[in-house]
Amino acid sequence: QSALTQPASVSGSPGQSITISCTGSSSDVGRYRSVSWYQQHAGKAPKLIIYDVINRPSGVSNRFSGSKSGNTASLTISGLQAEDEADYYCTSYTGSSTLYVFGTGTKVTVL
Amino acid sequence: QVQLVQSGAEVKQPGSSVKVSCKASGGTFRSSAITWVRQAPGQGLEYMGGIIPLFGTANSAQKFQGRVTITADESTSTVYMELSSLRFEDMAIYYCAIGGEYCRGNSCRGYNWFDPWGQGTLVTVSS
Repeated sequence: QSALTQPASVSGSPGQSITISCTGSSSDVGRYRSVSWYQQHAGKAPKLIIYDVINRPSGVSNRFSGSKSGNTASLTISGLQAEDEADYYCTSYTGSSTLYVFGTGTKVTVL
Repeated sequence: QVQLVQSGAEVKQPGSSVKVSCKASGGTFRSSAITWVRQAPGQGLEYMGGIIPLFGTANSAQKFQGRVTITADESTSTVYMELSSLRFEDMAIYYCAIGGEYCRGNSCRGYNWFDPWGQGTLVTVSS
């Protein structure tokens, strides 16, 4: 099971919106509505920010939103803030013997 | 809300095994899915496998089959991940997290996301 493909880095100025893509295949992202996104600040454990493609856990800012089209899921961060500077990972259920696959990760830089 | 506390850092020699623990508190341990994910230095997240204590049997990623053993001790609300035949490339932070969906026959429990996560356990492989 190959890792999902994410851009290595994305940057934006405070207040701007950015979008991170997560490309898989018809066997994972394209087949299931089980894509989740995680934010990881340096030296910290990952934190869930989106689940089941579009849902935000309680306490997560509504500046984070998720979507999916075909084999690609996307995470949009609107009104970019300095605290959003972190690594972001997507993951998808696969239904195979390796049940979950993570994305390659994207480093978000706030200019 | 379940919280997870993992065991401390380990230093192991190549070829040996390491056993990392993940103790749950504040929730229903027996029916909670617990998943293991690792992160090599400067690298991304990698799914290893998981278990639902109620089911007893674990799922493991194909890459780790034959090397990883995931078990649960209901009496202490603790899940263990043991990785054998350690190699230098197994050096990583190992995380446990609540979540994942696991099945026994036609009975499935859990959900397809991971939240919350333990604090992580650094495993260093060095000769």
